[in-house]
Amino acid sequence: AQKITQTQPGMFVQEKEAVTLDCTYDTSDQSYGLFWYKQPSSGEMIFLIYQGSYDEQNATEGRYSLNFQKARKSANLVISASQLGDSAMYFCAMRGPWNNNDMRFGAGTRLTVKP
Amino acid sequence: NAGVTQTPKFRVLKTGQSMTLLCAQDMNHEYMYWYRQDPGMGLRLIHYSVGEGTTAKGEVPDGYNVSRLKKQNFLLGLESAAPSQTSVYFCASSYTARGGNTIYFGEGSWLTVV
Repeated sequence: AQKITQTQPGMFVQEKEAVTLDCTYDTSDQSYGLFWYKQPSSGEMIFLIYQGSYDEQNATEGRYSLNFQKARKSANLVISASQLGDSAMYFCAMRGPWNNNDMRFGAGTRLTVKP
Repeated sequence: NAGVTQTPKFRVLKTGQSMTLLCAQDMNHEYMYWYRQDPGMGLRLIHYSVGEGTTAKGEVPDGYNVSRLKKQNFLLGLESAAPSQTSVYFCASSYTARGGNTIYFGEGSWLTVV
């Protein structure tokens, strides 16, 4: 079974600094996808970034990058130049092979950006 | 842009009452999902559908039923609500099980069972 672990319940970062949110996963599948979502206090789930297990390059989307280390089964999210609006819950998620619709989520990390 | 719309957004139920959450998507997506989110936990899949007329169980299906009579709608039913079903419910849709950023979430429905 797939399992996602986010070991940081809460993180603080100073505005304009970079922050790394940890995510490790456990799967026996060779083909899978890794996702990060942001959930602000308003509650909606906002897609941030995706990494496929066969992608050789680390994914980047603006200020977000995914540090993918396949051998270590980790998919950490790096947010550069933090902004006050980045304060939110962040969820790591994994989806298995393409015939598997079960997307598993981690427990989340609450990020607080300090001015 | 409507995207994925959930109704109602807030509801308080008494134990034993029944209710239906409606999810509608206007993106012609084949796949639709219902998740629940509890404090301190990520989203957990309740049921999903890979097309009109089909449904399947997810990680936590007990106490819920679903129906997908029309491609754009995915209904989640609670037959006899229990306090353990107090949660935030998210509907999502996607046009394929493959690929990356193809899952779109609704804004969530806050359900309290007293």
